[in-house]
Amino acid sequence: EPEVTQTPSHQVTQMGQEVILRCVPISNHLYFYWYRQILGQKVEFLVSFYNNEISEKSEIFDDQFSVERPDGSNFTLKIRSTKLEDSAMYFCASRLTGANYGYTFGSGTRLTVV
Amino acid sequence: GENVEQHPSTLSVQEGDSAVIKCTYSDSASNYFPWYKQELGKRPQLIIDIRSNVGEKKDQRIAVTLNKTAKHFSLHITETQPEDSAVYFCAASKAGNMLTFGGGTRLMVKP
Repeated sequence: EPEVTQTPSHQVTQMGQEVILRCVPISNHLYFYWYRQILGQKVEFLVSFYNNEISEKSEIFDDQFSVERPDGSNFTLKIRSTKLEDSAMYFCASRLTGANYGYTFGSGTRLTVV
Repeated sequence: GENVEQHPSTLSVQEGDSAVIKCTYSDSASNYFPWYKQELGKRPQLIIDIRSNVGEKKDQRIAVTLNKTAKHFSLHITETQPEDSAVYFCAASKAGNMLTFGGGTRLMVKP
């Protein structure tokens, strides 16, 4: 079964540093997403990406965050200057088409800001 | 925006019993309602979903019901097994776009 791949699985970074979280969505999927989950809490939407542009973003996704699809296969989330409260599990997800609503989530990157 | 409430937050059942988890949503335009199972430290995994043009959907021991008028939907697990123990999340979206998740239900199935 095709998978969404995320790297690294765990990232520890100093407060104020930039991090880039990487995702390889399923190859024929067209819609891409980032979600985050603070430990013990619910999954929260960050941003959706379609046709090489952001289609929706949440209030969490402020100027510190950016997304990119640099080469047609990778989908990255950059956090410019990390804060302690950015510590969370970040999940990438993709889905096939507009009519196919089912998401496939990646296995996540646990970001720890110290 | 959409708001999804889920209850109970924890549910403990005896193996073989049924479990029911309920969610309500606020946006009447939402039309897609998936349920995810999340084991500790793992990704959410889709277990069943329903669209607003259907009132009920079943897949073996799992069923979901949707009441559009009341804006609530429920997950039913019959003949629970210890491996059903996990956190379950409901979600709502419009046409499969951003998912708004409920707060989660920790289901514990006691052998």
